[in-house]
Amino acid sequence: DTEVTQTPKHLVMGMTNKKSLKCEQHMGHRAMYWYKQKAKKPPELMFVYSYEKLSINESVPSRFSPECPNSSLLNLHLHALQPEDSALYLCASSQPRDRGNEQFFGPGTRLTVL
Amino acid sequence: AQSVAQPEDQVNVAEGNPLTVKCTYSVSGNPYLFWYVQYPNRGLQFLLKYITGDNLVKGSYGFEAEFNKSQTSFHLKKPSALVSDSALYFCAGTHSSASKIIFGSGTRLSIRP
Repeated sequence: DTEVTQTPKHLVMGMTNKKSLKCEQHMGHRAMYWYKQKAKKPPELMFVYSYEKLSINESVPSRFSPECPNSSLLNLHLHALQPEDSALYLCASSQPRDRGNEQFFGPGTRLTVL
Repeated sequence: AQSVAQPEDQVNVAEGNPLTVKCTYSVSGNPYLFWYVQYPNRGLQFLLKYITGDNLVKGSYGFEAEFNKSQTSFHLKKPSALVSDSALYFCAGTHSSASKIIFGSGTRLSIRP
C-alpha cells in the first residue's frame, strides 16, 4: 500500500466551529507532515511528527492543533479559524532518518472558512 | 539561506516536442533534490530524486532530470511531451542535516495538442 488517505475531501466551516482533518498511511513511515497550500503556490510546511512526537512547528497559530495518535494516523484539529485559513491542507509521510527519502502526499482536504 | 528557484511560471510545449522545466538550487553541503507533479485538486505526486551518483536521474512517466553541480541546476526533461503531462511541477531540495525540504515556486506546464 503506497497511499496516503485524507478525510474529508472537502470541508466548509464557520469561524466558531471545531472540526478535524484526518490522515492515514500504512507504508510504515515514521515521519508525517501537515502542509497548507494556497492556489498555484507551493506547499507551506506546518508541522512535522517523527516517531509520533512533534518535531517541527513552523510557528503555526494555536487555532491549528496537530495530533499523532499512532504511527499510522495524523490529525489536525481546527478551532476558531479565519477566512484566510481557507486552503488545501495536505498530509504527507516519509521515512524520517534519511533526508533523501521522498515524501508521499495525500490528495488533500479543501477547507473553506466562512 | 537554502533556496530552490523555478525561473519560469509557465512553460508551453507542443505535443510530441521535448520539454524542459528549469530548477536551480542553493543548498549547502550535498543537496538532495526532488521533482513533484500536481494535477488540479490533487496532492503532490513524486516523480524522481537525486541523492548521489549518476547525474542523469530517470523517474516516472518518462521524465528524467539532470543534476549539474557547476550550474547548481536540476532541470526536468522529457523527450516527447503528452497532453496529459499538463500540470503544476514543483522542484524541491534539502541537504543531509536539514529538517525540512524547500519547494520552488512551481511551474505550470501546458502541452497543446
